[in-house]
Amino acid sequence: AQKITQTQPGMFVQEKEAVTLDCTYDTSDPSYGLFWYKQPSSGEMIFLIYQGSYDQQNATEGRYSLNFQKARKSANLVISASQLGDSAMYFCAMRPVYGQNFVFGPGTRLSVLP
Amino acid sequence: KAGVTQTPRYLIKTRGQQVTLSCSPISGHRSVSWYQQTPGQGLQFLFEYFSETQRNKGNFPGRFSGRQFSNSRSEMNVSTLELGDSALYLCASSLEDSINQPQHFGDGTRLSIL
Repeated sequence: AQKITQTQPGMFVQEKEAVTLDCTYDTSDPSYGLFWYKQPSSGEMIFLIYQGSYDQQNATEGRYSLNFQKARKSANLVISASQLGDSAMYFCAMRPVYGQNFVFGPGTRLSVLP
Repeated sequence: KAGVTQTPRYLIKTRGQQVTLSCSPISGHRSVSWYQQTPGQGLQFLFEYFSETQRNKGNFPGRFSGRQFSNSRSEMNVSTLELGDSALYLCASSLEDSINQPQHFGDGTRLSIL
């Protein structure tokens, strides 16, 4: 069965510094997609970035980048130049092969300090 | 392009009642998933519908049910409400059944049981 692990329940980072949120996954499928979502205190889930299992390069989207290490089954999110508005819950998720539902990790609460 | 729309945004019910939540996916999206989120529990997968068929189901009692209509709109029903059903219920839709398609979430329905 697929599983996502996020070992950091909470993280603190100083404004303007970079932070890495950890995500490891477990799957026996050869193809899968990995996603990161942000959930501010208001509750909406915002899609941030995607990494495909066969992608050769790490995904980047603005200040977000993914440190994808397939052999280690890890897909860590890197946020550069943190802003106060980055304070939120962050969820790592995996989409397995056809017909299976998304699997979400337990989340990491990030707090950006001024 | 309109996003995922969930109605109502807030709902207050009492124990024993039943409730129906509605979700309109992004136009063209055929997959709709429902999640329950309680403080400290992360996202718990309820079920997924694809082309009017329930394709996947999470580990919830039979009081939780859903359906999807031909226009991909989905409803979720909870009967005989319990205090523990108080939660944020999130609906998400995705375009295709492909590993590179993210789920896009609605703003959720906050259900409170008195």
